[in-house]
Amino acid sequence: GIQVEQSPPDLILQEGANSTLRCNFSDSVNNLQWFHQNPWGQLINLFYIPSGTKQNGRLSATTVATERYSLLYISSSQTTDSGVYFCAVANSNSGYALNFGKGTSLLVTP
Amino acid sequence: DSGVTQTPKHLITATGQRVTLRCSPRSGDLSVYWYQQSLDQGLQFLIQYYNGEERAKGNILERFSAQQFPDLHSELNLSSLELGDSALYFCASSVGSLGAEQYFGPGTRLTVT
Repeated sequence: GIQVEQSPPDLILQEGANSTLRCNFSDSVNNLQWFHQNPWGQLINLFYIPSGTKQNGRLSATTVATERYSLLYISSSQTTDSGVYFCAVANSNSGYALNFGKGTSLLVTP
Repeated sequence: DSGVTQTPKHLITATGQRVTLRCSPRSGDLSVYWYQQSLDQGLQFLIQYYNGEERAKGNILERFSAQQFPDLHSELNLSSLELGDSALYFCASSVGSLGAEQYFGPGTRLTVT
């Protein structure tokens, strides 16, 4: 299946700081999604971004499909941003089911 | 709220037992996916249905089975449960089956004792 690597595995930030999370994948994809898993276990859709750039408030994401990576930017971080951020990808070889990375665990301190 | 509902939220049962997890997709979505999240395996795909038919299979054990009904809700049946089956089980739905955005339900947390 498609290999997905996320970095860094862990990140501690002070409130107000900016951060960049990276996702590398091993094959061309039809679907790339970023999720935030909150402390209650809910997986929240952040971006559906198989290519290009999108922004939503303090979050933005860029996927460079030709180079097989995606970046998630978090600006002016807040304590509510804490949790685990997952990148997941899919293509026809995976039956369009999502292959998840191991996630980046983010802790934002006051 | 993603629009995907899952019941029950929590389930505690004993080894050897059988349980059924239920999922209702977002209105209009024809595809349903089941995923398992455990500490050692991470998030992994189990099985997908599209409009009532099985479309793709992942790392689903033979003790597990699923189906999608005519009203498009889906059930995941887990039998002969083992301690290692304790996990968070997610259902996701999408409007199509070819790389469309998937929306996840809140999950069912299964504890096998």
